[in-house]
Amino acid sequence: KAGVTQTPRYLIKTRGQQVTLSCSPISGHRSVSWYQQTPGQGLQFLFEYFSETQRNKGNFPGRFSGRQFSNSRSEMNVSTLELGDSALYLCASSSGQGSYYDEQFFGPGTRLTVL
Amino acid sequence: AQKVTQAQTEISVVEKEDVTLDCVYETRDTTYYLFWYKQPPSGELVFLIRRNSFDEQNEISGRYSWNFQKSTSSFNFTITASQVVDSAVYFCALSERRAGNNRKLIWGLGTSLAVNP
Repeated sequence: KAGVTQTPRYLIKTRGQQVTLSCSPISGHRSVSWYQQTPGQGLQFLFEYFSETQRNKGNFPGRFSGRQFSNSRSEMNVSTLELGDSALYLCASSSGQGSYYDEQFFGPGTRLTVL
Repeated sequence: AQKVTQAQTEISVVEKEDVTLDCVYETRDTTYYLFWYKQPPSGELVFLIRRNSFDEQNEISGRYSWNFQKSTSSFNFTITASQVVDSAVYFCALSERRAGNNRKLIWGLGTSLAVNP
């Protein structure tokens, strides 16, 4: 079974631009979560989707948004990029509904650099 | 307040040494889960173990073992006879139950383990 895939793997943008990251979960998984990872803040939860509905949302500004499609693939968008948005963005999928007892399977991440 | 503390930021050992990674958590919930994940240099977090709050049995999987003690709110991870391939950042996470079985997942800041030949 193929793992979680994320595209692109690396991205360089400039301040003020917007970016869209894509995540394809493991086949059959319907729950997808997004995280931002930085050296100073560690892993920060962005949002979680199940069956095209946002189930959970972290404490990020409205510039960060996401969606999930009927095939469970998910995208996240960051508008008006700031230097502080430079990070590794990780996507994870779960076989269940994203319940508190589900383990997550992570993709390799998208490394975003904002100049 | 930080709810998952991994006090060891970096650990460096020589191959074949045993090493223990500490994880201390805080929660008022009686029902919760604890997880350990490994993040090798490639960046992809790899699930290692899940433990629910009602199961305090220690677990061993090959060279890996976990010690869960509710009395001290700790869920420590030991690697026996470490190998270079164990070099990675290890994360401990606490998953609290919310309405509809939703999770509130709190991550530790990770312990970077370097195993030197």
